[in-house]
Amino acid sequence: KAGVTQTPRYLIKTRGQQVTLSCSPISGHRSVSWYQQTPGQGLQFLFEYFSETQRNKGNFPGRFSGRQFSNSRSEMNVSTLELGDSALYLCASSQRDTQGAFFGQGTRLTVV
Amino acid sequence: GQQLNQSPQSMFIQEGEDVSMNCTSSSIFNTWLWYKQDPGEGPVLLIALYKAGELTSNGRLTAQFGITRKDSFLNISASIPSDVGIYFCAGLSPISNFGNEKLTFGTGTRLTIIP
Repeated sequence: KAGVTQTPRYLIKTRGQQVTLSCSPISGHRSVSWYQQTPGQGLQFLFEYFSETQRNKGNFPGRFSGRQFSNSRSEMNVSTLELGDSALYLCASSQRDTQGAFFGQGTRLTVV
Repeated sequence: GQQLNQSPQSMFIQEGEDVSMNCTSSSIFNTWLWYKQDPGEGPVLLIALYKAGELTSNGRLTAQFGITRKDSFLNISASIPSDVGIYFCAGLSPISNFGNEKLTFGTGTRLTIIP
């Protein structure tokens, strides 16, 4: 069974640009969560989707948004990028009706 | 954002030694999870605990869900070089406003094995 797949693995963007990250969950998993990981703040919850609906949201500004498609694949978008958005963005999927247990390798976003 | 108190922050041990780390919270959790993360990779689930007082093993790893539901510990016996990495605890909090739960992560314990 394939694991959680995130694309791209690495991304470099300029301040003010926007970015879209993609996550394909494990087959059969309907819950997809997104996390931001930075050295200073650790792993912080962004949001969680289940059956195309956002069920839970962390304390991030509105520049961070996401969506889930009918095949459970999910995307997250960050608009008007800031230097502080540089981080490892992790996606996790879960089969149970709770938040994710299985993580992808992450997308390393660098904002310059 | 909220993070769990995880200790120690780092550990330097010799191969073969046992390791112990713990996580505490002011809040109650329904589930405790322990993850290991290698550089440049996502966290990998090691052990999941679903019931207060539960003691679960996975090979050389043993974890317990505290009876108060506010803490958990992880033990690694007879450490080997591949145990090097960062270990995170995570708690699944009770039902939120939307009727669901979210993961809160610990600050991590960095394990280094001295040759």
